[in-house]
Amino acid sequence: KQEVTQIPAALSVPEGENLVLNCSFTDSAIYNLQWFRQDPGKGLTSLLLIQSSQREQTSGRLNASLDKSSGRSTLYIAASQPGDSATYLCAVKYSSASKIIFGSGTRLSIRP
Amino acid sequence: NAGVTQTPKFQVLKTGQSMTLQCAQDMNHNSMYWYRQDPGMGLRLIYYSASEGTTDKGEVPNGYNVSRLNKREFSLRLESAAPSQTSVYFCASSEVGRPFREKLFFGSGTQLSVL
Repeated sequence: KQEVTQIPAALSVPEGENLVLNCSFTDSAIYNLQWFRQDPGKGLTSLLLIQSSQREQTSGRLNASLDKSSGRSTLYIAASQPGDSATYLCAVKYSSASKIIFGSGTRLSIRP
Repeated sequence: NAGVTQTPKFQVLKTGQSMTLQCAQDMNHNSMYWYRQDPGMGLRLIYYSASEGTTDKGEVPNGYNVSRLNKREFSLRLESAAPSQTSVYFCASSEVGRPFREKLFFGSGTQLSVL
């Protein structure tokens, strides 16, 4: 069964720290992988999308990496701020015709 | 540019009542999706439409029907609401065919309670 796992479910760190969020997937033959941010009571916002052929994508203080051989993606957040507090979800598409499978998310809290 | 617009934002139904959730996107996307999000269960796909005129079941289609009215609009209908359908519902859309263009864009959600 194709699954996407995010551990830990929750993380609290002090402001200013660099941090890494993890996403694991069960099948290395992926099509693309997306990282999303969800604020309480809101919809999901796509942060970064990595194609199967890419190793990483960057947007501002965010960097997402992809290691298909180990079935892992990481989202690196540099110099964290209280405004980064949200739930971060990863989602994997295994082929062009397949459905997108979501992880259950990591709830991130940045302490001032 | 509104993106993905869902209505209503909140709804309370009694068991057995019916309702339709509306979704429209203005990004000229081919694919549209309906998800539900429940605590501890994550996001689960109810139905999707790969292109205008086609619809397919997702993981949890029972109790729901959909209509892809045109390229812009994709509605979700609950014919006879049940308490198990209490959830937050999200509509989403994306391009297809090129992996680097397939970002998912979400609406702001509909919080549905069935009493």
